[in-house]
Amino acid sequence: AQSVTQLDSQVPVFEEAPVELRCNYSSSVSVYLFWYVQYPNQGLQLLLKYLSGSTLVESINGFEAEFNKSQTSFHLRKPSVHISDTAEYFCAVSQREAAGNKLTFGGGTRVLVKP
Amino acid sequence: DSGVTQTPKHLITATGQRVTLRCSPRSGDLSVYWYQQSLDQGLQFLIQYYNGEERAKGNILERFSAQQFPDLHSELNLSSLELGDSALYFCASSVGGHNYGYTFGSGTRLTVV
Repeated sequence: AQSVTQLDSQVPVFEEAPVELRCNYSSSVSVYLFWYVQYPNQGLQLLLKYLSGSTLVESINGFEAEFNKSQTSFHLRKPSVHISDTAEYFCAVSQREAAGNKLTFGGGTRVLVKP
Repeated sequence: DSGVTQTPKHLITATGQRVTLRCSPRSGDLSVYWYQQSLDQGLQFLIQYYNGEERAKGNILERFSAQQFPDLHSELNLSSLELGDSALYFCASSVGGHNYGYTFGSGTRLTVV
């Protein structure tokens, strides 16, 4: 079985400040890792993913996440946030070799960017 | 628009009733996944279909059932509804492999009164 823990349920941050959202996972096998973002009253959108190769992955809107196998973590960072980054962020994991490709999600971290 | 279409967007119904939620996957995607999002349970995987066949099952209640039709659209049937079934129900689709990630629809908000 796999599980995901997002250590912070809410993160208030001022505009143009950096933010880090923490994600730890548990799995007995190799995994793929994802971050999704959910804006108010919308569905989830894929932000970035780690499948293999470089442990640092980036999104088109300035977010980056680093896969740390020894610490079983996949923290999400952005050096300077905008008001429009206000949303809920979900970390997710799926097993590399498993019937079906279901994602297991963390509980989410709500980011509130203040002016 | 993500390409995954869910209808209806909102649904209000009484306890004991039965409802059907519909999902049309993104063009070319063969897999459909159903998730339930509630404040107390978070995002819970319910069930996956791939090209018409059930592929994986999660925390889906016996009162709930789903199917995927030959045109690849999927329906989630919820029966004998209880207040606790009130939630956002999301459908997602993928081509079939991990590498493509999921594409989510905008969800159906179910309120049971």
